[in-house]
Amino acid sequence: QVQLQESGPGLVKPSETLSLTCTVSGDSINSGSYYWGWIRQPPGKGLEWIGYIYYTGSTNYNPSLKSRVTISTDTSKNQFSLNLSSVTAADTAVYYCTRDFDYWGQGILVTVSS
Amino acid sequence: DVVMTQSPLSLPVTLGQPASISCRSNQSLVYSDGNTYLNWFQQRPGQSPRRLIYKVSIRDSGVPDRFSGSGSGTDFTLKINRVEAEDVGVYYCMQGTHLFTFGPGTKVDIK
Repeated sequence: QVQLQESGPGLVKPSETLSLTCTVSGDSINSGSYYWGWIRQPPGKGLEWIGYIYYTGSTNYNPSLKSRVTISTDTSKNQFSLNLSSVTAADTAVYYCTRDFDYWGQGILVTVSS
Repeated sequence: DVVMTQSPLSLPVTLGQPASISCRSNQSLVYSDGNTYLNWFQQRPGQSPRRLIYKVSIRDSGVPDRFSGSGSGTDFTLKINRVEAEDVGVYYCMQGTHLFTFGPGTKVDIK
């Protein structure tokens, strides 16, 4: 059974970089034609797609976040990561990782505050 | 940019009765490969989203057959045949033809 688990700091200061990791079990991020992605949800609001990394290593990002986002993989650990730079309070959200939108992590709340 | 709209945004339903949610996009969701990448998600209170339907009408594994999706081009519909208590939550459509965009969500609760 495929499982995804987000990890990282729950509090980030304004202007700093938010860094999260998604650890995958039950599947290899190297195998198959899957998109490994990040989605976020501000408290009480809807879902926003952030970006994905394909199993080939190619990436695609939400144009509204593109200048600040990097998604990468660590195949040795079967993980993929999200970096979001220059954060503000508007980046406060629950961040989810997903495989092709069919498997999701439980989500991690990240608060941007000094 | 692709903009997704949903109606209604709030849907009080009676247990055992049908429910229907509309989703519209501001441009066609037919991809160059002939597929239409329109998905539906359910998010129960306090839970992660769960995909119910992909490519307009294909139910994910384990999704009850009371859920069905239909539509084409720019207009799509999610129908719940007979609403059960466990169906309470927010439902999102999402297009995957032009990158990915979610609709604003429709909150379903029991009257």
